[in-house]
Amino acid sequence: DIQMTQSPSSLSASVGDRLTITCRTSQSISSYLNWYQEKPGKAPKLLIYGASRLQSGVPSRFSGGGSGTDFTLTISSLQPEDFATYSCQQSYSFPWTFGHGTKVEIK
Amino acid sequence: EVQLVESGGGLVQPGGSLRLSCTASGFTFSNYAMHWVRQAPGKGLEHISSILGNGGTTSYAESVKGRFTISRDNSKNTLYLQMGSLRPEDTAVYHCARVFIATGGRAFDIWGQGTKVTVSS
Repeated sequence: DIQMTQSPSSLSASVGDRLTITCRTSQSISSYLNWYQEKPGKAPKLLIYGASRLQSGVPSRFSGGGSGTDFTLTISSLQPEDFATYSCQQSYSFPWTFGHGTKVEIK
Repeated sequence: EVQLVESGGGLVQPGGSLRLSCTASGFTFSNYAMHWVRQAPGKGLEHISSILGNGGTTSYAESVKGRFTISRDNSKNTLYLQMGSLRPEDTAVYHCARVFIATGGRAFDIWGQGTKVTVSS
């Protein structure tokens, strides 16, 4: 299985902050990297697919980058509704493994 | 509205069985591969099984291979996960998810809210 290393595991930030989360894979996955937002009791939400492609309906303050083994998720200006857990996922080979998540908390 | 709703979770003893269901609405179910993903308490998401739209090809993670069986009934717009020989480490919230394929990528674009499975004596 492809291993996913996500960092940091948690962070504290304020509304308006710019933040970046990183995800590293154990082997090259081209651009088959996705980002999800998770909130307790809710279905996970797809934010970014194909490393940098914004899913329909997702605000443009979210962006993704990278290819190969190193990827980033950036939120340009954090909003109150963005406090959540963010997870990366590779869809290059089965099983489509996930990172352990980054919890974004209010500072 | 495009929607997935899971059911069938509950408390089961170690070694027991359980069948989860995922009912789809708002889209042509048979056109999409479907997957099961679980999240154990305090852990990350784990992709465990997949099935193509026509039900012809299935895949399983090593952690569930030989114990779980994925299936679907396209006439009922329903996905299933038959779980057997359950272990305490199978305790998790189980989500079904739809695969979205586009130029440049593939991902889970629609998820259910999940059904909780607890394996304990």
